Amino acid sequence: GQQVMQIPQYQHVQEGEDFTTYCNSSTTLSNIQWYKQRPGGHPVFLIQLVKSGEVKKQKRLTFQFGEAKKNSSLHITATQTTDVGTYFCAGPISSGSARQLTFGSGTQLTVLP
Amino acid sequence: NAGVTQTPKFRVLKTGQSMTLLCAQDMNHEYMYWYRQDPGMGLRLIHYSVGEGTTAKGEVPDGYNVSRLKKQNFLLGLESAAPSQTSVYFCASSYLLAYEQYFGPGTRLTVT
Repeated sequence: GQQVMQIPQYQHVQEGEDFTTYCNSSTTLSNIQWYKQRPGGHPVFLIQLVKSGEVKKQKRLTFQFGEAKKNSSLHITATQTTDVGTYFCAGPISSGSARQLTFGSGTQLTVLP
Repeated sequence: NAGVTQTPKFRVLKTGQSMTLLCAQDMNHEYMYWYRQDPGMGLRLIHYSVGEGTTAKGEVPDGYNVSRLKKQNFLLGLESAAPSQTSVYFCASSYLLAYEQYFGPGTRLTVT
């Protein structure tokens, strides 16, 4: 089963409010990736974090990787309607002799104008 | 560069029918993947390939087969479709295994 958990599943915010989604893994990750999927679209890679405690920013988006490399967060400041979509975290998890990218179930963000 | 393309975009099958989904990428990536996406379940890996002629099972491989005869193409087959296979199917490719993945536009499959 899935070993990458993501909360919340849904989030509705007023435009201009902040938004945060959290990702937790049952195992230590070598990296964490974040993807965005617009309604009706396909997942698009946003960023990858590799180092313990790493923080990266992309305009209004701030991504953090936990010290233990088992959790991560994505924070959006002052949401806009263009932020609408589902945000997924994903981490490489070993399954048998293979390593697979395991996705969280996603957080669906709705921004109310 | 077209990136990752998928055909068809939509398909309706009756239970027991078969079909093949085609994925093509023009980025010279070694690694290719097939995922299915169901509401509330995120993306689940069906099969993947680490190079031409090699494939491996993912998290939910039952009922599907794949082939990678050419580096740029990855085919997903359903031999006998079941309603439980109603889903959106995404193909993806990457330069390194389990690193940044590029997704195709998806195929919406309905099995009645």
